Amino acid sequence: AQTVTQSQPEMSVQEAETVTLSCTYDTSENNYYLFWYKQPPSRQMILVIRQEAYKQQNATENRFSVNFQKAAKSFSLKISDSQLGDTAMYFCAFLRRGGSNYKLTFGKGTLLTVNP
Amino acid sequence: ETGVTQSPTHLIKTRGQQVTLRCSSQSGHNTVSWYQQALGQGPQFIFQYYREEENGRGNFPPRFSGLQFPNYSSELNVNALELDDSALYLCASSFRAEKETQYFGPGTRLLVL
Repeated sequence: AQTVTQSQPEMSVQEAETVTLSCTYDTSENNYYLFWYKQPPSRQMILVIRQEAYKQQNATENRFSVNFQKAAKSFSLKISDSQLGDTAMYFCAFLRRGGSNYKLTFGKGTLLTVNP
Repeated sequence: ETGVTQSPTHLIKTRGQQVTLRCSSQSGHNTVSWYQQALGQGPQFIFQYYREEENGRGNFPPRFSGLQFPNYSSELNVNALELDDSALYLCASSFRAEKETQYFGPGTRLLVL
């Protein structure tokens, strides 16, 4: 079974600064995906970024980028130029590729607050 | 917005009752998954449906059941409600060709008294 650990229950950052959220995971699989989802107070879960484990290049989406360290089983999210709208719960999630179903395994989340 | 809708937004039930939650998938998405998110926790996988058949189940008892319809909308049914069933229930849809990427609805907040 896979587990996902987010060791930072809460973080805060000043507007326009950079913040990094941590995630580690445990799996015996070699072929999988990793995701960061954002859940604002309105509660709709929004996909922020995804990483395919077989790709060495770190994924980037505008101000969001990841640092994927496969050997260390680490998958951190960096948010640059933080904006007030980035305030949300952030969940790291794992998905095994090639299985009979496609279930996401989530961490407990990190509450990020962006201060003006 | 993801195009995935859920109804109702909020629901209050009493212990022992039954509840049905509904989800409309994003157009073109033929796979739907349901998750339970307890307060302060990450979502937990309940089950997944593909082409109207259950396609995997998490660690939830049989009183949690589901349906997927030909138009790919879906229902989650919970019988004999317990206090611990109070949670946010999320559905997520995905397109079979890109099944690893799931798009979530806004959720239904269920409170069991």
